[in-house]
Amino acid sequence: EVQLVESGGGLVQPGGSLRLSCVASGFTFSSSWMGWVRQAPGKGLEWVANIKHDGSEKYYVDSVKGRFTISRDNAQNSLFLQMNSLRAEDTAVYFCASGPYYDVRFDDWGQGTLVTVSS
Amino acid sequence: QSVLTQPPSASGTPGQRVTISCSGRRSNIGSNHVYWYQQLPGAAPKLVIYSSSQRPSGVPDRFSGSKSGTSASLAISGLRSDDEADYYCAAWDDSLRGGVFGGGTKLTVL
Repeated sequence: EVQLVESGGGLVQPGGSLRLSCVASGFTFSSSWMGWVRQAPGKGLEWVANIKHDGSEKYYVDSVKGRFTISRDNAQNSLFLQMNSLRAEDTAVYFCASGPYYDVRFDDWGQGTLVTVSS
Repeated sequence: QSVLTQPPSASGTPGQRVTISCSGRRSNIGSNHVYWYQQLPGAAPKLVIYSSSQRPSGVPDRFSGSKSGTSASLAISGLRSDDEADYYCAAWDDSLRGGVFGGGTKLTVL
């Protein structure tokens, strides 16, 4: 059974930093593209970033470029999202998801972790 | 405002067929596959259509997808109460070099 478990969310002040983690099991993590998708409270889904199975390609939504960094550790079956210079508009549930391609096909999702940016 | 345009709401009675539209551009729907996700209240999204018209294993054949030009649609036939959810279309955008989602359609089963 595929499992994706996110952690690291919480309350942070504007301008602060947070690192999200996602531990994967039940599939070949090192062969999968991985991504982060977020959902602001009461709002729709927004794609945030994708990373290739070997980490050689990364893509970001414009609003997080230069502030967020996606990375992975295939030895630990783990995906990360380092979030710096956080803004109120980054407040959302962040989902970790896996897929076979670079695009927005995500076959499996985690349960999400809530990030709240507020003073 | 979302790059892909969906109606905010749709509804139908049990047993009916409903269709949800998704409009985009040549750089996204016009050039790439479309995906549809179902999100039940309080849950993570679930893929129900991939490659514009394919169903993952376990998704009933009541769900179907199609694409024409820069538009796509999701159809649900034999509507059931447990189909009540938010539905999102998504695609890769070659110009943005990133993924885009529609704003979501809230499906109500009357």
